[in-house]
Amino acid sequence: KQEVTQIPAALSVPEGENLVLNCSFTDSAIYNLQWFRQDPGKGLTSLLLIQSSQREQTSGRLNASLDKSSGRSTLYIAASQPGDSATYLCAVRGYSGAGSYQLTFGKGTKLSVIP
Amino acid sequence: EAQVTQNPRYLITVTGKKLTVTCSQNMNHEYMSWYRQDPGLGLRQIYYSMNVEVTDKGDVPEGYKVSRKEKRNFPLILESPSPNQTSLYFCASSLSAGTDTQYFGPGTRLTVL
Repeated sequence: KQEVTQIPAALSVPEGENLVLNCSFTDSAIYNLQWFRQDPGKGLTSLLLIQSSQREQTSGRLNASLDKSSGRSTLYIAASQPGDSATYLCAVRGYSGAGSYQLTFGKGTKLSVIP
Repeated sequence: EAQVTQNPRYLITVTGKKLTVTCSQNMNHEYMSWYRQDPGLGLRQIYYSMNVEVTDKGDVPEGYKVSRKEKRNFPLILESPSPNQTSLYFCASSLSAGTDTQYFGPGTRLTVL
């Protein structure tokens, strides 16, 4: 069964720093990996989706990489801002049988960017 | 605006009183699913639907029912809620079951007394 781990569980950085969030998964047979952002008491917002055939995706100050063979992904945030404070979730999509593709989530990294 | 909506957003109920949480998407997505989020356990899938009239169990289906009579709607039904179903619930949808981005609703916070 797929397991997704995110390290660290919490991270506090001063504004302006570049930072890296880590995600690892146990089964490399995935179809894609998605990074989400969750603000307190709110839903999940999709940040980046990396297909299994891709190595990285970029959106603004965010860059996500995927190394499927080693079961790792990183989310790089450049020039962090207080508005980046949120919980970041990594989720991998794998085949779960009967034509279905299940999304398995990590428990998230809670990021605080200090002004 | 493309979105997934859920209602109600907040609900406090008592043990055994049947309830339904509605979910609707306006993106013509085929795949819809329900998750619950609990502290320390993360997000876990309850049920999913690959298309109209096609539903299947996720990781934690006990105590829940779903139906998919129309493409846009995927209600979650708790026939006899219990306190261990107190949680934050999310509905999600994607174009297909495979390689597409998942879009999430705003969440429903349920408390069962």
